[in-house]
Amino acid sequence: DIQMTQSPSSLSASVGDRVTVTCRASQGIRNYLAWFQQKPGEAPKSLIYATSSLQSGVPSKFSGSGSGTDFTLTISSLQPEDFATYYCQQYISYPWTFGQGTKVEIK
Amino acid sequence: EVQLLESGGGLVKPGGSLRLSCAASGFTFSSYGMSWVRQAPGKGLEWVSGISYSGGTTYYADSVKGRFTVSRDNSKNTLVLQMRSLRAEDTAIYYCAKATEAYCGSDCYTPNDYWGQGTQVTVSS
Repeated sequence: DIQMTQSPSSLSASVGDRVTVTCRASQGIRNYLAWFQQKPGEAPKSLIYATSSLQSGVPSKFSGSGSGTDFTLTISSLQPEDFATYYCQQYISYPWTFGQGTKVEIK
Repeated sequence: EVQLLESGGGLVKPGGSLRLSCAASGFTFSSYGMSWVRQAPGKGLEWVSGISYSGGTTYYADSVKGRFTVSRDNSKNTLVLQMRSLRAEDTAIYYCAKATEAYCGSDCYTPNDYWGQGTQVTVSS
């Protein structure tokens, strides 16, 4: 199985900060990488697929980059509604696997 | 508007069975692959199972293979997860999710876009 490792596991940031979350795959996954946002008590929300394509309705402050084994999610200017846990997921091979999550907290 | 509504969760004893359903609306259900993803209390997301748009191909996590069966009824816009031989470690919220791209077969790759609100499964004596 492909292992997905996110860093950091948590971070504290202020409103307006630029935030970057990193995701590393244990083997190459080309660009088949998705990002999800989850707030407490809510279902996950899809943000990005194919490394850098925004899902419908997702604001452009979210962006993704990378290829092969190393990927990043960037939030250009953190807003109060962005405080949540973020997960990466590979979907090039079954079983699909998620990173352990990165919790973005208010500083 | 895409809607996915899970049902069938509850409390079950170890070794028992449960049948989860996901009622889909707002899109052409028969055109999209579907998945089940779960989240144990305080833990991260775990992909459980997937099924192709036709229902002809299914996939499972090793942790549930041989115990869970995914199926779909395209005439009723319903996704089903039959769970048997349940264990305490199966306790989680179970989400159904829709594929982003339609008609994605074995030679294409598409993640999930829309997710349901989940149904709680608790396995305890």
